[in-house]
Amino acid sequence: GESVGLHLPTLSVQEGDNSIINCAYSNSASDYFIWYKQESGKGPQFIIDIRSNMDKRQGQRVTVLLNKTVKHLSLQIAATQPGDSAVYFCAETNWVTGNQFYFGTGTSLTVIP
Amino acid sequence: DAGVTQSPTHLIKTRGQQVTLRCSPKSGHDTVSWYQQALGQGPQFIFQYYEEEERQRGNFPDRFSGHQFPNYSSELNVNALLLGDSALYLCASSLARGGYNEQFFGPGTRLTVL
Repeated sequence: GESVGLHLPTLSVQEGDNSIINCAYSNSASDYFIWYKQESGKGPQFIIDIRSNMDKRQGQRVTVLLNKTVKHLSLQIAATQPGDSAVYFCAETNWVTGNQFYFGTGTSLTVIP
Repeated sequence: DAGVTQSPTHLIKTRGQQVTLRCSPKSGHDTVSWYQQALGQGPQFIFQYYEEEERQRGNFPDRFSGHQFPNYSSELNVNALLLGDSALYLCASSLARGGYNEQFFGPGTRLTVL
């Protein structure tokens, strides 16, 4: 079956520092990845996505890096703010299961003011 | 523009009972996916509905069934509830345009089975 996991279940950073959240996936056929942010009591919120034909994609204060060689995905958040405190999930899919996303366990990010 | 809405917010049932959860997709969306999220875990795909038919299904037993209505809203039904069915049930909607489409999630329904 699919396996998408995270290296660190919790992460604490000082406000203003950069955050890096990591994710490993096991299916080499995965070709589309999404990072979601989930705040307490809310559903997951789309942050940024990346397709397998890219190594890097940047958004507003966020960057996703994809290393297909080692099947690793990371989310970088610049100048982390208290509002960034949440659980972050990576999700992946491929052309076979294109309508079905597989989520990792999640990393809880806490920003210390 | 209303996002994805789900009802009820919370629900408490006992083992063996049946439950129906409801979802209204984001305006303009035609596809609805359901996910189960156990405490401390990532969401697990249950199934997806498009054009009122189940298009894809995850690894869930037949006790989990669904329906999509002509207005694209959807229901998730779970029969013969087990304690292990306690979870947050998430609905996500998207617009089928071919390829990979961003899914917008609702706030979820918290189901507790006693």
